[in-house]
Amino acid sequence: QQQVKQSPQSLIVQKGGISIINCAYENTAFDYFPWYQQFPGKGPALLIAIRPDVSEKKEGRFTISFNKSAKQFSLHIMDSQPGDSATYFCAAGTTKTSYDKVIFGPGTSLSVIP
Amino acid sequence: EAGVAQSPRYKIIEKRQSVAFWCNPISGHATLYWYQQILGQGPKLLIQFQNNGVVDDSQLPKDRFSAERLKGVDSTLKIQPAKLEDSAVYLCASSPRLAGAHEQFFGPGTRLTVL
Repeated sequence: QQQVKQSPQSLIVQKGGISIINCAYENTAFDYFPWYQQFPGKGPALLIAIRPDVSEKKEGRFTISFNKSAKQFSLHIMDSQPGDSATYFCAAGTTKTSYDKVIFGPGTSLSVIP
Repeated sequence: EAGVAQSPRYKIIEKRQSVAFWCNPISGHATLYWYQQILGQGPKLLIQFQNNGVVDDSQLPKDRFSAERLKGVDSTLKIQPAKLEDSAVYLCASSPRLAGAHEQFFGPGTRLTVL
């Protein structure tokens, strides 16, 4: 019940295309859904996050879509650029307890080709 | 603002040896996390501190792993003795304990290779 599933494992997109990464969770107690971006040799960095009370959040070229009933959420990267090539991790967490806890998905390796 | 610092960046040891990693979180961040990231996988939480107290160590292999956070600031993670399967990147992260602030700030990690 603590697992976060993520697909695809890897993704190749042409420059200017749309990259879509999907995640699913089981635990209905999760109330915080961040996406982290990781470049080789670096630690993950927060990209965008959403709460379950909204169905969509957009920041620049990055959009999270959230389906609470299906317990699924996805990241859309519009107009994908070679600089977006990285590993993306979805995560799910609880924030209403005495301490935050986040579970990470297995990651998606994105390659954007010119 | 300085980020999360970790050292060393790389470490190669023989199995059954011991190793220690150090983390200096962002100043003022009350919460500190140690994660293990095996190649091709997502970060897995090993231990979480709030100030200098442990709030979650449910996934820490306590027979060989130990961690402490001195005076609620720096932290060390130790493995003794190391096994081949401990080869991974060990990530330290910190976050402020503020309402609505849940972002975790990660350091660059320490890549451990156990031979």
